Formats: sequence, C-alpha cells, structure tokens
Amino acid sequence: NAGVTQTPKFRVLKTGQSMTLLCAQDMNHEYMYWYRQDPGMGLRLIHYSVGEGTTAKGEVPDGYNVSRLKKQNFLLGLESAAPSQTSVYFCASTGGSGNSPLHFGNGTRLTVT
Amino acid sequence: AQSVTQLGSHVSVSEGALVLLRCNYSSSVPPYLFWYVQYPNQGLQLLLKYTSAATLVKGINGFEAEFKKSETSFHLTKPSAHMSDAAEYFCAVSRLEYGNKLVFGAGTILRVKS
Repeated sequence: NAGVTQTPKFRVLKTGQSMTLLCAQDMNHEYMYWYRQDPGMGLRLIHYSVGEGTTAKGEVPDGYNVSRLKKQNFLLGLESAAPSQTSVYFCASTGGSGNSPLHFGNGTRLTVT
Repeated sequence: AQSVTQLGSHVSVSEGALVLLRCNYSSSVPPYLFWYVQYPNQGLQLLLKYTSAATLVKGINGFEAEFKKSETSFHLTKPSAHMSDAAEYFCAVSRLEYGNKLVFGAGTILRVKS
C-alpha cells in the first residue's frame, strides 16, 4: 500500500536555484495539499487542489507554484530558492468530505544555503 | 475564519501518568476536529476525529478527546502514558466550505519519563 509518496526525501539547494517536489497518491483522492513544517509553527498550508486541473493558494503561497495536471500527482515548484524556504515539506491527500482525514507523505527535508 | 491554539509547546509526564494535551479552536460554526501524531522523521498519522456524532471520541493507542462546545475545546487525554507515546501531537480543524483545508495548531511535544 503506497498511499502518498513524496520525492525526493532530502535536498540541498543554493540560493536562487530551482527545484520541483513531486507528490503521488494512489487512493484516487480529489483533494491534495502541500504544507511546510517549521519548529514551533505547526504545519502551514502552501497551496492546495480540489481536483485535477485546479489549484488554490493557502496561507503561505509566496515563492511557490503548483500544478495538478493528473489527478494522482501534485507538484510543488520553487523557482528561485531562498534560505527562508528551508523547511520540511509535507504532501497530503483526502477523499473530499469535511470529516475525511488527511493521508500524509513522509516529507521532504529541504535546505537552502 | 478558523484557528487552533494548543496550550503548551512541551509537556512532560512520567510513565503511567495521565496525559492531557490542550486544544482550543476558534470557529463560527462547529467544525470538524482532529488530533494527529507525528513520530520522529515521519509524516502525520490520524489519532482521532470529531464529526458531531458523539462528544467523546476514542482513537488509537488508548487516546480519547472530548468536544466541549461551551469551552470551544477538544483536549486529548490518555489515562496512562507509555514510553512509546513520546511524539509531537497536533490539533487541527477543518471545514468543507474552506476546501477541507486543515488548519493546524503549533504542536505539543510529549515527553514520557521512565
């Protein structure tokens, strides 16, 4: 049972470099989310998608872009990485009703130097 | 708008003692409420959820939480702590009309002393 798979698990970038984080889910979920986790701040929503071809901004969208070209995949892009984007990034998905729990990936630890 | 406040960023208990992790929410209408647990270097796992069916909710690993509308609280408890309960715990709130977005509290790190 794969669930939610994030790649890569770790990455180090230099300031100004770009990269894409991939999230894949095999549960046919409509809703997908990208969160970042920083110490003492819990998880903050970056962007989310309520279905294939749709995306929307969360709490902290600046500096990130996303795409949901296929239902099972949700990509998070950093066009020009900054040290403030050093964080652990989590992808999550859910079936769609308000009380459906999120299924999380194991995270991507990104360091920007 | 909706938000979650977790009181206490760190809680330390002895093995066998009561665990109480506090969560208060702010929402104009009764929301869906969740507790998640995160073990080191892992993603979050669902402990339990409140969906208005019952105010006392039982979850996995012996945890339970009680929804108190008058206090806008959803505190997490466990009668007897085990060493394996050491982790970070997150309270979260969501509403369907906000795209099912989960808003998380800042987290509480639970330490269990032997």
